[in-house]
Amino acid sequence: GESVGLHLPTLSVQEGDNSIINCAYSNSASDYFIWYKQESGKGPQFIIDIRSNMDKRQGQRVTVLLNKTVKHLSLQIAATQPGDSAVYFCAETLTGTASKLTFGTGTRLQVTL
Amino acid sequence: DSGVTQTPKHLITATGQRVTLRCSPRSGDLSVYWYQQSLDQGLQFLIQYYNGEERAKGNILERFSAQQFPDLHSELNLSSLELGDSALYFCASSVPPGELFFGEGSRLTVL
Repeated sequence: GESVGLHLPTLSVQEGDNSIINCAYSNSASDYFIWYKQESGKGPQFIIDIRSNMDKRQGQRVTVLLNKTVKHLSLQIAATQPGDSAVYFCAETLTGTASKLTFGTGTRLQVTL
Repeated sequence: DSGVTQTPKHLITATGQRVTLRCSPRSGDLSVYWYQQSLDQGLQFLIQYYNGEERAKGNILERFSAQQFPDLHSELNLSSLELGDSALYFCASSVPPGELFFGEGSRLTVL
């Protein structure tokens, strides 16, 4: 498969544990945030999004937390599974301007058995 | 499967050459976006087309150009290739203001 971001920070977690991936965003005016998952050899895949009028949003096994004060996003994955192994990117933009989606550098999640 | 199709998946060429990458968006999506992903730059937005017209430009070099055709497929043309152009090139599509759906990318290697 493709190697994405060989120089990415890496988070190793054991199968079944919870994972927390952090992201600092840059533009205080951004009001829409997305987490993407990129598996080896594939394109980024939408996981969950959150708007700036919320500080928490939950999906299936995933939770995104937004702290606008310190411009920080986190993605929490519950009961991490081997299939969660991938590179995770946060992205920020202004609502309605998907072309200005700015991606973070990504974090590689490795799930160990 | 995102529904976005990119060809070719892999391409190896020499410096100075020109290549064309092709993207077919999801059925019904009017917007097409091109991104470059290299090891040290992450995902960089290049250009967006909406229903055949250029809508937004990012960090796209003058040696690169793109277009979107009446059937909504898009092509990214890369010319006078340099070693540093080696990267993954992704196409994404959306129906604004929705999320982006990415293709599986075209891996360009310039030797």
